[in-house]
Amino acid sequence: EVQLVQSGAEVKKPGESLKISCKGSGYSFTSYWIGWVRQMPGKGLEWMGIIYPGDSDTRYSPSFQGQVTISADKSISTAYLQWSSLKASDTAMYYCARLNNWNLDYWGQGTLVTVSS
Amino acid sequence: QSVLTQPPSVSGAPGQRVTISCTGSSSNIGAGYDVHWYQQLPGTAPKLLIYGNSNRPSGVPDRFSGSKSGTSASLAISGLQAEDEADYYCQSYDSSLSGYVFGGGTKLTVL
Repeated sequence: EVQLVQSGAEVKKPGESLKISCKGSGYSFTSYWIGWVRQMPGKGLEWMGIIYPGDSDTRYSPSFQGQVTISADKSISTAYLQWSSLKASDTAMYYCARLNNWNLDYWGQGTLVTVSS
Repeated sequence: QSVLTQPPSVSGAPGQRVTISCTGSSSNIGAGYDVHWYQQLPGTAPKLLIYGNSNRPSGVPDRFSGSKSGTSASLAISGLQAEDEADYYCQSYDSSLSGYVFGGGTKLTVL
């Protein structure tokens, strides 16, 4: 069974750093791109970027380039999304999902990130 | 402003049929890229509902159907049920952005 399990909710202060994770299982983790999607409170889905764990090839949506870093450790089948300096506007639910034939066929449960002073 | 345009809301009574449109342009849907649809029930992660314009993953009822024509796509839900009340999103690829894009989402209310 394909599963993507994300790390738990985080509460951080502005300016702090953060790295959240997404662990895949039940399939060949290195053979599929992983995408990250943001959903701000009460808003729609936004595509942030994708990574190919096989060789760590990474593509960012223009809106998120330079704002976050996407990485992966194929040895433990885990993808990451990280911030070096959080802002209040980063408060959102973040989802990882497997990219298969141009669509996201399996999703993680989401990680809620709250940034507040 | 989303690259793919969806109506903010649609509604229908139980048993009725509703459609949700997704309008793009010549750099995404019109360029031949497939459209995919997701259902997000309240408080849950999105779920793939339709892929490749009109294909249903295993377990998705045949009440849900998708189509694509020109620079637009549509999701149709027939025999509306209370459990269909959710947000629906279309998604495709955009060659101008060299990346994937979502529609703004449509909230379906079952009256």
